[in-house]
Amino acid sequence: ELKVEQNPLFLSMQEGKNYTIYCNYSTTSDRLYWYRQDPGKSLESLFVLLSNGAVKQEGRLMASLDTKARLSTLHITAAVHDLSATYFCAVLVSTGNQFYFGTGTSLTVIP
Amino acid sequence: DAGITQSPRHKVTETGTPVTLRCHQTENHRYMYWYRQDPGHGLRLIHYSYGVKDTDKGEVSDGYSVSRSKTEDFLLTLESATSSQTSVYFCAISEVIAGDDEQFFGPGTRLTVL
Repeated sequence: ELKVEQNPLFLSMQEGKNYTIYCNYSTTSDRLYWYRQDPGKSLESLFVLLSNGAVKQEGRLMASLDTKARLSTLHITAAVHDLSATYFCAVLVSTGNQFYFGTGTSLTVIP
Repeated sequence: DAGITQSPRHKVTETGTPVTLRCHQTENHRYMYWYRQDPGHGLRLIHYSYGVKDTDKGEVSDGYSVSRSKTEDFLLTLESATSSQTSVYFCAISEVIAGDDEQFFGPGTRLTVL
């Protein structure tokens, strides 16, 4: 059974602090996706990581992928309130073009 | 938003009634997906389609059926709704951008089964 696990599930952090969200997956996949979801809204694509060692950055968010360890991280630098949301990782299984999602990390940034 | 709409956006129904949710896309995408989102479970794939009349089951397909009679529409049917099917349902498409698969989501349908 394919598993995608995120931790922590809930994260409360102060503005200005740094933190990392982890995504572990149990299948062979070299494509890892990160999404953001605001309360009551749909999912918005943040990053697509396509190969081992891939690193992408957008503003205060940086995502990386280690396919050998089956681990992706989403690093938050100097958090601001606008980053409060739920973040999901997902892996693509090429058979059937299926995406498998983690349970999500609910991030709250406190002023 | 990749031209994805879902209807209805909200629905309240009673146990045992049939329910059909519609996903409509305007950009001729081949792959379409139905997910449900529940607290503590993230998004779980119900069914997906890789073309007209080509569909397959996802990890939580029991109690659901789908149909895709034309490229732009992917229908999800709950034959006899149960309270455990109360959830938020998202439709998605996948699109190849710069050689890579990306997935885009519709706005969601909130379904309550009483």
